[in-house]
Formats: sequence, C-alpha cells, structure tokens
Amino acid sequence: DVKVTQSSRYLVKRTGEKVFLECVQDMDHENMFWYRQDPGLGLRLIYFSYDVKMKEKGDIPEGYSVSREKKERFSLILESASTNQTSMYLCASRSPLGGANVLTFGAGSRLTVL
Amino acid sequence: DAKTTQPPSMDCAEGRAANLPCNHSTISGNEYVYWYRQIHSQGPQYIIHGLKNNETNEMASLIITEDRKSSTLILPHATLRDTAVYYCIVRAIDTGRRALTFGSGTRLQVQP
Repeated sequence: DVKVTQSSRYLVKRTGEKVFLECVQDMDHENMFWYRQDPGLGLRLIYFSYDVKMKEKGDIPEGYSVSREKKERFSLILESASTNQTSMYLCASRSPLGGANVLTFGAGSRLTVL
Repeated sequence: DAKTTQPPSMDCAEGRAANLPCNHSTISGNEYVYWYRQIHSQGPQYIIHGLKNNETNEMASLIITEDRKSSTLILPHATLRDTAVYYCIVRAIDTGRRALTFGSGTRLQVQP
C-alpha cells in the first residue's frame, strides 16, 4: 500500500517563526498536494506539485511556499507563521492508476500558531 | 465538476448495512463518482470509485443508478470504526493538475 508520511503530527509555533512541514511518499508518485482543513471550510488546496521542482498554486497559496527537490518529498513552508495559519495540514499523493483521482493522504499535521 | 448533494448526517446500527446516498444530477458522461471518508483527526481515505457499473471492493459497494444521476455507497456491516464523514465527489479523469474538491459530506454515526 502507498504510504504518505507527514513528519509532525502536532506542532506549536510562535507568530513570525518559520515553519517546515514535511511529507514523504513511498510509491514514486508524480503528483503531490498540500491542503489545509478548517471547521466549516472543508479542505482547501494550498499548492500542488506534478513533478520534481514543478509546482502550481492552489486556491489559497498566500503566506505559503513549497519545495520539491526529490520526487518522494514535498515540503510546505510558512515563511513567517501567523495565527490565521493555525489549522490541520494534509499532504496527499496521487496514484497514477489510469489517470484516476485516487489520492492517498497522510495523517495530517495540526499546527497551532500562538 | 458536477455538483453533489449529500445528507449532512446519518445514523446506523452496528452490524447493519449503512447506505449513504449522493445526488449528482448534472454529471457528465466522462465523470466518475468517487467516495472518500475521513475519520476524526485523520486524513481522508479513498474508498471506491466508478463510472456507470456497480463496483465492489473490500471496503464497500458503490451502486450507480442507470441514469447516473445518483449513487449509493454501501457499507455492508457497519462497525463503530466506520463512524466518519463520507464525501462523494464527481470528477473526470484528468492529468491531476486540479485538486479534488471536498464538499461538506455526510457525517455517519454508527451506534452500538
């Protein structure tokens, strides 16, 4: 089975700190995604990457950047964390199964910014 | 992507079948129906998908009506661990450069 591993399950950071959220998948998938999930707002796409060093903005990229130096790793970076970035962050990897939209998600990283 | 409509919540007794409906009356011929679920504080989990034929896997069955305007996800013997939010998503096969859009889903509560 595909496994998507997010480095930290829970993080607490202070306003202005730089935050790195790491995501690793073990099945050589080309597509990887970062979402955030907030009560009442559902899952919203921040960024996605369709290949190494390739990225595209999602619906809410402001305040975030990403890095994909290796195929298996997709990092989300908060350059200067703010309290409105307190959220659950979810990484996903896309199966190439015939072009189907089968995503495998990590367990999530719950970030609190004080 | 076609819009989907799901009931906000449902209850089911443990051991009984859970039947979760989804309406997608504007579905196009090339759009698939996908089901995911999200157990509290975890990432969403893919369950099943189909185009027009009924599908079954180890987790669930997917029944799609002949006109494809609605579908039902069936968990044949619900357990307490099936308590989750279930999302129905309609989407065509594509390059994957657009993200899946998750609506508000159906919150299924399995009762002991």
